[in-house]
Amino acid sequence: AQKITQTQPGMFVQEKEAVTLDCTYDTSDQSYGLFWYKQPSSGEMIFLIYQGSYDEQNATEGRYSLNFQKARKSANLVISASQLGDSAMYFCAMREGDTGRRALTFGSGTRLQVQP
Amino acid sequence: NAGVTQTPKFQVLKTGQSMTLQCAQDMNHNSMYWYRQDPGMGLRLIYYSASEGTTDKGEVPNGYNVSRLNKREFSLRLESAAPSQTSVYFCASSEYRDQPQHFGDGTRLSIL
Repeated sequence: AQKITQTQPGMFVQEKEAVTLDCTYDTSDQSYGLFWYKQPSSGEMIFLIYQGSYDEQNATEGRYSLNFQKARKSANLVISASQLGDSAMYFCAMREGDTGRRALTFGSGTRLQVQP
Repeated sequence: NAGVTQTPKFQVLKTGQSMTLQCAQDMNHNSMYWYRQDPGMGLRLIYYSASEGTTDKGEVPNGYNVSRLNKREFSLRLESAAPSQTSVYFCASSEYRDQPQHFGDGTRLSIL
């Protein structure tokens, strides 16, 4: 079974509008973390936002917020007021457990295109 | 302000050749990782090193070896390159489990 599922291969949004990128996850661990990364066409991986499984509040970082619904095992990224520079691939990733292994499991990504 | 530095940025190899991808971080992180990214896919873990002196296999370790040379450096070696190893390789490092991983800019590797 996929640990991280991103069901939207591609999304379009008009500039200045908000957009939600979906992410569902699968884990039996009680302690885990969820991350979103942005990958522009230049290829680098840029960290956007983090949500811990025990965090009661949804994470926010500027125009990015994470809609965390623990019971549904979803961690959707919301980008408010989209900008042309937001056009990129977006990856949801999960770190499981409390062990020393802090590696991430990534979803397959969503390509976002912001239209003027 | 270097962060994670990977060398080389691009490389073309012939099937059967060997090479080592280098990675160094200057953030004093304990954990380091190697991922590969195939077209249209997310990153998959090849190997990781939780701390200096330890290495462990990830999801796709076959055909690769790693060396954690010291706290700063973590290299990935392809002993006998195969076309299936054509990919973009990313090195990353992190400290605490709730902190994000910092990625290098990637190495684009083509094997003919």
